[in-house]
Amino acid sequence: GIQVEQSPPDLILQEGANSTLRCNFSDSVNNLQWFHQNPWGQLINLFYIPSGTKQNGRLSATTVATERYSLLYISSSQTTDSGVYFCAVTGTASKLTFGTGTRLQVTL
Amino acid sequence: EPEVTQTPSHQVTQMGQEVILRCVPISNHLYFYWYRQILGQKVEFLVSFYNNEISEKSEIFDDQFSVERPDGSNFTLKIRSTKLEDSAMYFCASTRGLGGNTIYFGEGSWLTVV
Repeated sequence: GIQVEQSPPDLILQEGANSTLRCNFSDSVNNLQWFHQNPWGQLINLFYIPSGTKQNGRLSATTVATERYSLLYISSSQTTDSGVYFCAVTGTASKLTFGTGTRLQVTL
Repeated sequence: EPEVTQTPSHQVTQMGQEVILRCVPISNHLYFYWYRQILGQKVEFLVSFYNNEISEKSEIFDDQFSVERPDGSNFTLKIRSTKLEDSAMYFCASTRGLGGNTIYFGEGSWLTVV
């Protein structure tokens, strides 16, 4: 099956800093989504982005499908951005395969 | 924004008991899923369901598990004879179609087996 790797596994930022999270995948994808898992365990949809670039406030994402990677940018980070960020993809099947996540901690 | 809703949010059960987790997918969605996340680990696919039958399942989804759409709105996951290692967050998800469609997740049901 398709493999999804995320880096870095852990990231500590001071409030106000910017960061880039990376997602590499092993095969062509039909769907790529970024999620934020908050401290209560809820999975929050951030982006549906199988290709191209999207922006939503302080967050933006870019997927380069031909090179099999996606990037999530967080600018001017806030403590509420803390949590785990997951990238998930679908290949030929309909199921999402999740990466191992990036655990982000934003400190004051 | 439309929501997938799940109940219960948290359940504690004794080992060996049966558990039913309930989900109400988004109303015009056709594909339904259950995923599992053991504490501190990544989210794992369990099963997908379309047109009143299982379309795909993982190796985790053995005879202990079953899914059902008993009426036009609910989608359930039944876990028979629960084991300690079944303790996890269980997520229901739905999407309108394949390819080009966002998959929406519920808030999860946290199952603790004691």
